[in-house]
Amino acid sequence: RKEVEQDPGPFNVPEGATVAFNCTYSNSASQSFFWYRQDCRKEPKLLMSVYSSGNEDGRFTAQLNRASQYISLLIRDSKLSDSATYLCVYSWGGGKLIFGQGTELSVKP
Amino acid sequence: DVKVTQSSRYLVKRTGEKVFLECVQDMDHENMFWYRQDPGLGLRLIYFSYDVKMKEKGDIPEGYSVSREKKERFSLILESASTNQTSMYLCASLRTGDNEQFFGPGTRLTVL
Repeated sequence: RKEVEQDPGPFNVPEGATVAFNCTYSNSASQSFFWYRQDCRKEPKLLMSVYSSGNEDGRFTAQLNRASQYISLLIRDSKLSDSATYLCVYSWGGGKLIFGQGTELSVKP
Repeated sequence: DVKVTQSSRYLVKRTGEKVFLECVQDMDHENMFWYRQDPGLGLRLIYFSYDVKMKEKGDIPEGYSVSREKKERFSLILESASTNQTSMYLCASLRTGDNEQFFGPGTRLTVL
């Protein structure tokens, strides 16, 4: 079983749509959770950390369910500029990050 | 503004050559990492370093070595390049506290 499982997509959505990505992780000792964004041919960049109580940053909402070992990312009112690959990431200590293979999102006009 | 730089964006080498990939960060971070990224496999950790002259194997260290002589510089070495090492190589450094990793722009290595 992969340490982090994501639906690779692609998710093709129209502008203004709401889209949700889920991700499951296998290590119950995981401590920290993140969503990274990677644009085509660019390096990954932190989108947001994911907190146990859930957190929101503008149009983006992240949720964590430790009991079921999954995290989610919700994007409301999608923009063309949201087109990218979204990487689910966790850390269980020492600064090492475990990356999912990413979910590709394409927002169309 | 934080900065991680890598010595080359694109590199073409021949099988058997020794290859050096350099990474420099200007944020005074102690922890640095080397990954490779391949389609369908995501980012995989090759080696990491917690401090100068210190290194730890990641998940796929075979065929690679690293060097950390100075805090700001972390080098990845392919002792004898092989075609299955054709990949995108990404270097990162870690800001402790919030555990955010900052990545360099990547080096796309092709081994012929």
